[in-house]
Amino acid sequence: GEDVEQSLFLSVREGDSSVINCTYTDSSSTYLYWYKQEPGAGLQLLTYIFSNMDMKQDQRLTVLLNKKDKHLSLRIADTQTGDSAIYFCAESNAGNNRKLIWGLGTSLAVNP
Amino acid sequence: NAGVTQTPKFRVLKTGQSMTLLCAQDMNHEYMYWYRQDPGMGLRLIHYSVGEGTTAKGEVPDGYNVSRLKKQNFLLGLESAAPSQTSVYFCASRPYGQGVDQYFGAGTRLSVL
Repeated sequence: GEDVEQSLFLSVREGDSSVINCTYTDSSSTYLYWYKQEPGAGLQLLTYIFSNMDMKQDQRLTVLLNKKDKHLSLRIADTQTGDSAIYFCAESNAGNNRKLIWGLGTSLAVNP
Repeated sequence: NAGVTQTPKFRVLKTGQSMTLLCAQDMNHEYMYWYRQDPGMGLRLIHYSVGEGTTAKGEVPDGYNVSRLKKQNFLLGLESAAPSQTSVYFCASRPYGQGVDQYFGAGTRLSVL
């Protein structure tokens, strides 16, 4: 079945760039998402990319998509302590009632 | 604009008790979802609805029932709570169409003793 995988932990220094990686198996994915979850809170959409794009940039966030390898990454430039959170990768396609298939989340720790 | 509101925020149940979690959205969204989030398991879809009066099973539906009698409300019921249902429950909604995200509630933390 469909699957989304992410590394579970990432630790960076404040001011460095963070790169969170995700792989997925569904070759018919149409949209890929990055969500952020801060402690004790719900999930908030950070950004998404359509499957016919290979890059999307939004301020400090850069999303790269390698459709051939089914690999998605999220780069956060100039990482701040406020970026400490769990980051979820998710994918959807037109044929699954708009359900999202979720990764387990990557816990990002930003050290001063 | 309240978005997605979940009630209650916290609840402690004894094994065998029943309860209903309420999700309400004021954005006129067609789709609504109930997830549970457990450590190391990520988000797992319990049930979802693609419109008023419709429901469908997700990944982990056993032990839960849902109803969508009104478009704005999606109820999650536990008829006989078990300790395995201790979790954080999230509701989400989204409008019809591609490339739109799910809007999440703040979550309900449920403990079953």
